[in-house]
Amino acid sequence: AQSVTQLGSHVSVSEGALVLLRCNYSSSVPPYLFWYVQYPNQGLQLLLKYTTGATLVKGINGFEAEFKKSETSFHLTKPSAHMSDAAEYFCAASSGGSYIPTFGRGTSLIVHP
Amino acid sequence: KAGVTQTPRYLIKTRGQQVTLSCSPISGHRSVSWYQQTPGQGLQFLFEYFSETQRNKGNFPGRFSGRQFSNSRSEMNVSTLELGDSALYLCASSLNILTGTNYGYTFGSGTRLTVV
Repeated sequence: AQSVTQLGSHVSVSEGALVLLRCNYSSSVPPYLFWYVQYPNQGLQLLLKYTTGATLVKGINGFEAEFKKSETSFHLTKPSAHMSDAAEYFCAASSGGSYIPTFGRGTSLIVHP
Repeated sequence: KAGVTQTPRYLIKTRGQQVTLSCSPISGHRSVSWYQQTPGQGLQFLFEYFSETQRNKGNFPGRFSGRQFSNSRSEMNVSTLELGDSALYLCASSLNILTGTNYGYTFGSGTRLTVV
């Protein structure tokens, strides 16, 4: 079964600093990979996804992620954090012919002024 | 284009009661999935419906059930509520069909269920 590990339940950055949220998956077959964001009292919103093709994926709100097969990683980055980026971020993966994703436990991004 | 609509947004029920939650997917989406979100367990998959058929099911007891109607709207039901059922219940719709591209989910805002 697929598993997804997000390193760090909380990440704190200053406004304008680089954002790096880590995600590792366990899969022996090429996965579909996703990042979602959840703001308080809301559902999850799809930020970006990797299916096939280019390993560097650009998403909404200036976020991007790079699929690294050799490291089984799909880390999320943003060059410059904004206060509005403060939210919970979830990495998800599906593979083996199933569309049902397994979600990581989430990383809370805290942005300091 | 309307998003995924979940009703009600908030619900308080007493232990032992039953509850029905509703989800209207994005127009054209035939796949509807349900998740339970709690601080302790994170996001856990309940079930997925596609064209009125349950296609996948998670590891939840039989007290949790669902269905999908011909217009793709879905309901989930929890019978004999327990305190541990308190959670945010999220519905997600998708363009995913049986094969092909994995489009990912569009989530609703959820129903916050509190069991007292």
